[in-house]
Parts: sequence; structure tokens; C-alpha cells
Amino acid sequence: LAKTTQPISMDSYEGQEVNITCSHNNIATNDYITWYQQFPSQGPRFIIQGYKTKVTNEVASLFIPADRKSSTLSLPRVSLSDTAVYYCLDTNAGKSTFGDGTTLTVKP
Amino acid sequence: ETGVTQSPTHLIKTRGQQVTLRCSSQSGHNTVSWYQQALGQGPQFIFQYYREEENGRGNFPPRFSGLQFPNYSSELNVNALELDDSALYLCASSLAGVRTDTQYFGPGTRLTVL
Repeated sequence: LAKTTQPISMDSYEGQEVNITCSHNNIATNDYITWYQQFPSQGPRFIIQGYKTKVTNEVASLFIPADRKSSTLSLPRVSLSDTAVYYCLDTNAGKSTFGDGTTLTVKP
Repeated sequence: ETGVTQSPTHLIKTRGQQVTLRCSSQSGHNTVSWYQQALGQGPQFIFQYYREEENGRGNFPPRFSGLQFPNYSSELNVNALELDDSALYLCASSLAGVRTDTQYFGPGTRLTVL
């Protein structure tokens, strides 16, 4: 299972749009790209998943270029409660390799 | 709330002891995966169970073992505990056969080995 690469930390302010980019240099043809959010002492929570192009749900958008070597999670108008660790993964059949994630800190 | 439950919430053991952690899957899910998360790191894949058999394993020694029961609940057993086994242990359930294999995580069990 491939391990992804993402920034260790990011800071933002309430109301801003936040984009977190991830590198998927070893993604396999059958892998999907999945993003999770994790708060301290809790299990990761699914945010969004896609294979290519753009996916949008009620909380985020996911942009995946044609070569699938990267992905960008976009969080519109973040709030203080979005402060968390965000993980991007290559996933296939329920098996995933987590990296160390990006710690997003939202400031007032 | 994902519907995945784990017990116990916290556990303290001493080095050399054995521990059993339990997980109940979300309704309708037939696959359970276990992860170990050390402080400040991402979850590390231990193994996955499907139809009561191990279906993939990460880089963990044989003293980490598991079971899946007919109702899809699962146990993680760790023998001969070491200090480095102190971590948050997470289970995640999913539905096999679906390529978009969204995993739903439980709240975890915090294991401390003294």
C-alpha cells in the first residue's frame, strides 16, 4: 500500500477557504483517493473520496488531476471546529496506509 | 457517530501481559480492519478480517492476532505486551465487494503498557 505525502501543518482563519494538497506518487490503477479528518482521541472520520476529476459533497470538494499523482482537499469557509488532522490515502478494498497527516489550525 | 463501537475505552497493562480488545461493526458491514496509532502519528494498518479470516496484514509481528465472529464483530489480541505497544487502537468496518470502500472508524481503545 502506497504512502502519500502532505504538508505537516497549515494555519488558516475563520471564514477562509483552505486547500490541502497531497502527493500520490505511487497510486495504483485501482486505488481510490480518500480523505479523513481526525480530532484528538477520536477515530478518523470520512470526509470525501474520488477517483478522478472533481467530487463535491456537503462539507468539502476534492480535485484530482488526470494523472492522479496529486489531490487537493478544499474546505470552504472553515470554522474553529475544523481544527483537526487531515489524512489523504490511497485506498483499495478496505486497506489503507495512513501518512502522518496535515494538522490544520483555524484561528479566530 | 459511525455505529462502530469499541471496548474498553481505556486499558492499562504491564509488560509481558496479554490483552484483548473488542470491536462491533456498523450494521451491514462485513469487513473489519484494525489500526495502531501512536501519539503524533497516523494510524498504522495491523490487519483486516473478512468472512472470519485474515485478509491482509501490515508490518506487525505474530503476537498481534485477531478474530472475526459470524456477526462480524472482531477481537484484537496482543500477547507479550511491550512498552511500544502503548497506543490508540482503532477498528474500522467496511463493506467488502465495494470498490469505494469507505471505512467507518470506532472511537478507539487507549492502551497503556507500563
